[in-house]
Amino acid sequence: GAVVSQHPSWVICKSGTSVKIECRSLDFQATTMFWYRQFPKQSLMLMATSNEGSKATYEQGVEKDKFLINHASLTLSTLTVTSAHPEDSSFYICSASKAGPRETQYFGPGTRLLVL
Amino acid sequence: KNQVEQSPQSLIILEGKNCTLQCNYTVSPFSNLRWYKQDTGRGPVSLTIMTFSENTKSNGRYTATLDADTKQSSLHITASQLSDSASYICVVSEGPDSWGKLQFGAGTQVVVTP
Repeated sequence: GAVVSQHPSWVICKSGTSVKIECRSLDFQATTMFWYRQFPKQSLMLMATSNEGSKATYEQGVEKDKFLINHASLTLSTLTVTSAHPEDSSFYICSASKAGPRETQYFGPGTRLLVL
Repeated sequence: KNQVEQSPQSLIILEGKNCTLQCNYTVSPFSNLRWYKQDTGRGPVSLTIMTFSENTKSNGRYTATLDADTKQSSLHITASQLSDSASYICVVSEGPDSWGKLQFGAGTQVVVTP
């Protein structure tokens, strides 16, 4: 149990376009979902925390207008990278917890974004 | 400054040998400490989780230890296999009064060679 999926697994887009990444909890209801970004040979960096039905809480330095997060249901959260630029190329990983931030986070497989 | 420091940054070991990875943290108070295995291009997968009262936790050939007094943890891999090649990440959960925000180490890149 506790499987988290992401779609797409990788995406290549042109600079200036927007990209949406989906994160789904397949066999449990995720009260809280998290979005991370990971650059090569670096650790995961938390971008934002989202609770179902409410606005996401963004970490310092993360532009909320550029990285739009929607957590419309207990099994789905989306991250939209608006007007993507090459510096947004990264590995985006979501995680989900069953009953609040202090519960174990289950990570998705990640989405590789390459902006040309 | 990162509150979770891992060493070594990378290591190469021969198949069948043992190795030990280190994690030092300054997160205080903390709720629990976890070790994750992350294959290249994949999301992290949990190996072990320990609360402050636990000293050791095993998962197959992986054994984690925790010394909450010195704020040190280690992950020991026994009889390494080629499939153990991955990045191993130490993650400390803040707590108990916080929202349990996770503090990630930078990881140790392990390469197992035949």
